[in-house]
Amino acid sequence: EVELLESGGGLVQPGGSLRLSCAASGFSLSDYAMTWVRQAPGKGLEWVSVISGTGGITYYVASVKGRFTISRDTSKNVLYLQMNSLRTEDTAVYYCAKDRLRSIAAAGSMDMWGQGDLVVVSS
Amino acid sequence: DIQMTQFPSSLSASVGDRVTITCRASQKISDSLNWYQQKPGKAPKLLIYSASTLQSGVPSRFTGSGSGTDFTLTINSLQPDDFATYYCQQYYTTPAWTFGQGTKVEVK
Repeated sequence: EVELLESGGGLVQPGGSLRLSCAASGFSLSDYAMTWVRQAPGKGLEWVSVISGTGGITYYVASVKGRFTISRDTSKNVLYLQMNSLRTEDTAVYYCAKDRLRSIAAAGSMDMWGQGDLVVVSS
Repeated sequence: DIQMTQFPSSLSASVGDRVTITCRASQKISDSLNWYQQKPGKAPKLLIYSASTLQSGVPSRFTGSGSGTDFTLTINSLQPDDFATYYCQQYYTTPAWTFGQGTKVEVK
C-alpha cells in the first residue's frame, strides 16, 4: 500500500529549528518528485518546496528560501524538510506529497498526500 | 507569480444538484491545472489533473474543463460525500506552483 507518514512537528520558538520527516512506503522516493505543501490554520494551501526524483534539483517558495532545506534518504525512503530561523508565519500543517511524475519539469500534480503534521511557531 | 482566483468562495447546494466552480489564472497556463478536494482535518485529494483528466479512482461525476486562463470544475449530481472545500492549482510555472483560495461546498 502506498503511504506517506509525517513526523517531527511540534511547538518551537521563533528563531528555532525543526526537522520534519516523511516516511514513504509502497513506492521509492527515487521514482517521483516529492513536495512539501503547508496550510496555515483556517487558510488555503501553499506550495513550499519540491525535490526531483533524482534528488538533484530542489526548489523553494520565496518566503522560505535560505531557511528551509528539502532532502531525502533513499536508503530509508524518507523525505525531510529542515526548517531553520522559524517565524510565526511558518505556523501551519505541513503535508508531504508524492507527484505523479519523476521529473520536476513535468511535475506539479500531487496524487498522494501524508496526513499532515502541525508546526506551531510561538513564544 | 501566477495568481489563481476561484469563485465563488463558498456555495450552498443540495444532494443531486449540479455544482460548478470556476478558477481563473492571472496569465495563460495552457492546461496545467489541477483540482483537489479537501475535507476538514484531512489531506487534499487529487481529483483532476491537466485541466480535464480524471485521477484514477475518482467518480465520473467530477469533470474539469478549460484552457488558457479560465477553468471549471463541475460536480454532476452532488453526493453527501462531496461536501468539502475544493482548490485549483496551477503548475505551469515550475516550480512556483500556486493554489486558488478555495471554494467551500456546503449543505443548503
